[in-house]
Amino acid sequence: DTEVTQTPKHLVMGMTNKKSLKCEQHMGHRAMYWYKQKAKKPPELMFVYSYEKLSINESVPSRFSPECPNSSLLNLHLHALQPEDSALYLCASTPRGVGTGELFFGEGSRLTVL
Amino acid sequence: GEDVEQSLFLSVREGDSSVINCTYTDSSSTYLYWYKQEPGAGLQLLTYIFSNMDMKQDQRLTVLLNKKDKHLSLRIADTQTGDSAIYFCAEWETDKLIFGTGTRLQVFP
Repeated sequence: DTEVTQTPKHLVMGMTNKKSLKCEQHMGHRAMYWYKQKAKKPPELMFVYSYEKLSINESVPSRFSPECPNSSLLNLHLHALQPEDSALYLCASTPRGVGTGELFFGEGSRLTVL
Repeated sequence: GEDVEQSLFLSVREGDSSVINCTYTDSSSTYLYWYKQEPGAGLQLLTYIFSNMDMKQDQRLTVLLNKKDKHLSLRIADTQTGDSAIYFCAEWETDKLIFGTGTRLQVFP
């Protein structure tokens, strides 16, 4: 299994909703990442988990809450989002923890906030 | 991080070579990467180059690195319609990957 799987592929939510994005990999990778990508822009790093511990938070607003329940799973909990948070949210993983740019990306979850 | 710059758009005829350019910022970057993103999809690592190399070839892909000018390029030989995508260069900076602005490659018959 050489995939990073993200669910759901599409999500539409209101500003008062609570929802979650899920990411799963079974490659034994020890670092997992959340990126946000707006249209026609490069991905921007949000969070990094290394060996299941949060190692980087790029000053992301608290309405985004990451969680790493185990080495294969990464969640992103969403609450009270704003329309400008609409974007493609990409999950990625790397084999040996933080320290390499060889990222394996999922297909992304496209989020629309109404 | 500072900007990693790429030209926005490149259009080539099928069968020709494509050259995508990138100017990066951190002279201490040890690895530089090229990623491809097809419409509606995630990013796929194409190739990378170590900073003590000036060229790397991988099938149809050739990466050239000019460390003095902080200039990286990706040449795709015999470009095919399936190569149409957005290409991002990226540099490893301290503890994270910084992506370039992206180049949209369009291949026409």
